[in-house]
Amino acid sequence: KAGVTQTPRYLIKTRGQQVTLSCSPISGHRSVSWYQQTPGQGLQFLFEYFSETQRNKGNFPGRFSGRQFSNSRSEMNVSTLELGDSALYLCASSLGAPWEKLFFGSGTQLSVL
Amino acid sequence: AQKVTQAQTEISVVEKEDVTLDCVYETRDTTYYLFWYKQPPSGELVFLIRRNSFDEQNEISGRYSWNFQKSTSSFNFTITASQVVDSAVYFCALSGGDGGFKTIFGAGTRLFVKA
Repeated sequence: KAGVTQTPRYLIKTRGQQVTLSCSPISGHRSVSWYQQTPGQGLQFLFEYFSETQRNKGNFPGRFSGRQFSNSRSEMNVSTLELGDSALYLCASSLGAPWEKLFFGSGTQLSVL
Repeated sequence: AQKVTQAQTEISVVEKEDVTLDCVYETRDTTYYLFWYKQPPSGELVFLIRRNSFDEQNEISGRYSWNFQKSTSSFNFTITASQVVDSAVYFCALSGGDGGFKTIFGAGTRLFVKA
């Protein structure tokens, strides 16, 4: 069974640009969660989607958005990039209930110059 | 609001020592779920264990053991006879309850096991 796939693996952007990250969950998983990981901050929750609906959202500005498609694949978008957006962005999939464990992808390392 | 605190930022031990990673959580609800994940140097987080709020039974799996105490809102993780391969960042996490369908993580504890 294929794991969670995130593309691209690395991205370099400049301030003011926008970026789209992609996540393909494990087959059969309908929930996709996104996290931002920075040194010292741990994993900060961005949002969670289930069957194309956003069920929960973290405390991030509106520049961070996401969506989920009918095949459960998900994308997140960051507009007007800032230097502070440089981070590892992790995607996790699960069956969707609160007790289900998360399966993580390898992440997209975003560098904003 | 829910919160997970891992007060230990980094721990360094010598191989074969026992080490305990602390986790304290906050939630207003009576039904919730606690997890531990491991992030090795390769980067990908992997699930280690899950506990629900109604099950305070401690668990042992090989060299790993977990102590869940609702009275102190703690879910601590002990590695017995640590090995170099245990070197990683360990995250405690919480889901359910008033947090709904999101899993929140502590800041993580980086464990160094020296040979």
